[in-house]
Amino acid sequence: EPEVTQTPSHQVTQMGQEVILRCVPISNHLYFYWYRQILGQKVEFLVSFYNNEISEKSEIFDDQFSVERPDGSNFTLKIRSTKLEDSAMYFCASSDIPSGELFFGEGSRLTVL
Amino acid sequence: AQSVSQHNHHVILSEAASLELGCNYSYGGTVNLFWYVQYPGQHLQLLLKYFSGDPLVKGIKGFEAEFIKSKFSFNLRKPSVQWSDTAEYFCAVNDVSSASKIIFGSGTRLSIRP
Repeated sequence: EPEVTQTPSHQVTQMGQEVILRCVPISNHLYFYWYRQILGQKVEFLVSFYNNEISEKSEIFDDQFSVERPDGSNFTLKIRSTKLEDSAMYFCASSDIPSGELFFGEGSRLTVL
Repeated sequence: AQSVSQHNHHVILSEAASLELGCNYSYGGTVNLFWYVQYPGQHLQLLLKYFSGDPLVKGIKGFEAEFIKSKFSFNLRKPSVQWSDTAEYFCAVNDVSSASKIIFGSGTRLSIRP
């Protein structure tokens, strides 16, 4: 069964460093998403992406965040200068239709020290 | 703005007990509704979804949910839980007019005593 894959599974970084989280969505999907889950809290929407541009973003997704689809398979989330409060599990998801079922990756745990 | 409320933060049941997890949403327009499950150490997986039609939808592993439009609710049910149902359950809502964003509730942790 096709799946969404994410790397790294866990990254530890120092505050102020740049981090890139990578995702390979399911190959025939066109809609891509990033969500995050701070430990013990809800799953929060960050950004959605379609046709090589951001469709929608939340208030969390400020200028420190960016997304990119650098080639036909990868979908990346970059945090330019990490803060302690960026520590969370980041989930990538994809879907084949808008408003459709999201297929999630296993997540990348980011720890900012 | 859309919001999703799951009032049960942690539910503890014995095996074979019946389960109902509440979910209410705040948007008055046309919505798609989902329940996702996150087993310990695993990623989010879809349990079931409602787009249109029969408001009683059946999902995997014996779960079902009923969409009651007048109550803005989409409660998840299972008649007899098993120890393997121990997981975190998330209700999610998508405003059809805003196709790109699915909003999740805060989740309900379900613990099943063997």
